[in-house]
Amino acid sequence: EVQLVQSGAEVKKPGESLKISCKSSGNSLTNYWIGWVRQKSGKGLEWMGFIYLGDSNTRYSPSFEGHVTFSLDKSLSSTYLQWNTLKASDSGMYYCARQAAPGSAWVAWGQGTLVTVSS
Amino acid sequence: QSVLTQPPSVSGAPGQRVTISCAGSSTNIGAGYDVHWYQQLPGTVPKLIIYANKKRPSGVSGRFSASKSGTSASLAITGLQAEDAADYYCHSYDNTLSGSVFGGGTKLTVL
Repeated sequence: EVQLVQSGAEVKKPGESLKISCKSSGNSLTNYWIGWVRQKSGKGLEWMGFIYLGDSNTRYSPSFEGHVTFSLDKSLSSTYLQWNTLKASDSGMYYCARQAAPGSAWVAWGQGTLVTVSS
Repeated sequence: QSVLTQPPSVSGAPGQRVTISCAGSSTNIGAGYDVHWYQQLPGTVPKLIIYANKKRPSGVSGRFSASKSGTSASLAITGLQAEDAADYYCHSYDNTLSGSVFGGGTKLTVL
């Protein structure tokens, strides 16, 4: 069974950079996608995009494109979500999840990474 | 404004049946893409409870069922229990966005 383990909570200042991780274990298959969503406090799930573990193909939501970057390190079975310039509005809980294909269900979820951006 | 529209809240007494709607459009649900449903208990990670419109993952109670028709879908919960109090999200794919779309979420209150 695939398990996703995310990196720990982060507290950053506006303008700083950040990279959080999502490590998969329990299954060595690489032909699936890792999606990312943001959930602000008390709000719903916002799709950010996904990355295909087979060839690092990425798709971004228009709401996040240009502001975040997904990457992959196959040797570490890890995917990453990165910001070069954080804003206060980036604060929230970030989840990664596995899906077999872009239209399929998000079966396994990480435990979430809480990002707080405050001056 | 979410691409998929859900009622903000629903409620029901223990033992009752409630339904949660998820309205989409011709570019997502109406285009034939599957609808999935997640339950998010307070302070926890979303959990898949329905996939591919009406299938239940192993371990999910049979009290949860779902259907899809046209540009919309719905989740039904029968025999309401206090433990069902949670936020519920529908999820599909949109061919204009070329990506996932989520409903805004529905808060279920068990009276």
